[in-house]
Amino acid sequence: GENVEQHPSTLSVQEGDSAVIKCTYSDSASNYFPWYKQELGKRPQLIIDIRSNVGEKKDQRIAVTLNKTAKHFSLHITETQPEDSAVYFCAASISGDSSYKLIFGSGTRLLVRP
Amino acid sequence: KAGVTQTPRYLIKTRGQQVTLSCSPISGHRSVSWYQQTPGQGLQFLFEYFSETQRNKGNFPGRFSGRQFSNSRSEMNVSTLELGDSALYLCASSLGQGAGNEQFFGPGTRLTVL
Repeated sequence: GENVEQHPSTLSVQEGDSAVIKCTYSDSASNYFPWYKQELGKRPQLIIDIRSNVGEKKDQRIAVTLNKTAKHFSLHITETQPEDSAVYFCAASISGDSSYKLIFGSGTRLLVRP
Repeated sequence: KAGVTQTPRYLIKTRGQQVTLSCSPISGHRSVSWYQQTPGQGLQFLFEYFSETQRNKGNFPGRFSGRQFSNSRSEMNVSTLELGDSALYLCASSLGQGAGNEQFFGPGTRLTVL
């Protein structure tokens, strides 16, 4: 069935270090992979996304990589800062002719220690 | 543009009651999706509406239903509430239908079932 697995569930890094969060999806038809950041008590916000025709995308300190063959995609945050502390969710879309739905991973709680 | 709004923000109900939650999408957005967020299950897809039609549905019992109006506002209804329905209910709107359209989340309605 449709499933997205996300690891690790918690991640603690020192300020300035890099953080990597990994996701695996089950449906080979998935073609859109967004990442959301949710700060405590706030709504999820899109931070970066990637489509299946692209292997890597960068936006300043954030990058996402996609391996379609292995059905893996990862979020990389470099030079982490305390304000990066939040829960990060990956998602994969299941696209139909006229609709789609996002299947989310279980989330990674990132703590950046000053 | 105003963001996605949801009302009410907080609700307390007792088992067996029913509840209706409302979502107003960003102006011009025609797709509205609903998600249930719980600490144990993460973000789970409930349903998606586009142009007043339900396009996709998640794996939730029939007690969960929704609709969309001609102005794209959406409501979801949960009947015969159970303790396990306690959760944050998020709606998200997007400009178009189909994968790749960024979903913008509302602040959520926190439902507590006693």
